[in-house]
Amino acid sequence: EVQLVESGGGLVQPGGSLRLSCAASGFTFSSYEMNWVRQAPGKGLEWVSYISSGSSTIYYADSVKGRFTISRDNAKNSLYLQMNSLRAEDTAVYYCARDWRWFGFWGQGTLVTVSS
Amino acid sequence: EIVMTQSPATLSVSPGERATLSCRASQSVSNNLAWYQQKPGQAPRLLIYGTSTRATGIPGRLSGSGSGTEFTLTISSLQSEDFAVYYCHQYNSWPRTFGQGTKVEIK
Repeated sequence: EVQLVESGGGLVQPGGSLRLSCAASGFTFSSYEMNWVRQAPGKGLEWVSYISSGSSTIYYADSVKGRFTISRDNAKNSLYLQMNSLRAEDTAVYYCARDWRWFGFWGQGTLVTVSS
Repeated sequence: EIVMTQSPATLSVSPGERATLSCRASQSVSNNLAWYQQKPGQAPRLLIYGTSTRATGIPGRLSGSGSGTEFTLTISSLQSEDFAVYYCHQYNSWPRTFGQGTKVEIK
């Protein structure tokens, strides 16, 4: 069974940093592309970032470019999102999602709250 | 960036009735369109990909159609478990983009 489990969310002050993790199991993690997708409270879905299976190709949404860094460790079956210079508008549930086309599998999400 | 626009924002439907949800792309996405369902407190769930292919375990009462810039998700006979928010998603180009969602509520 495919499982994606996010962690690392929490309350952080504006300008602060946070690192999210996504632990994958039930499939060959190193063979799949991964994404981060977020959802602000009461709002819709926003794609954040993509990383290819071997980390050679990375994309970001303009809203996070230069502040967020996606990475992965295939030996640890883990995906990461380093978030710096956080703003109030980054407050959201962050999901990791598998695949580069449609997102067939999602984690349960981790909540990031940016507030003073 | 391709803008995805869903209509209506809210759809009030009685159980057993048909629901038709629309999604329009600001430019052609070919057939690279997916639909997701989301219930409160849960992650989105893939329903349809490739415009019309149902994901594993998705019942036949859900169907997708369209191409280019106009797409439709149809639920032929609404069941209680179908009341939720539905999102369309284009994966034809980067950045990936979603519609703002259509909430299907009980009439």
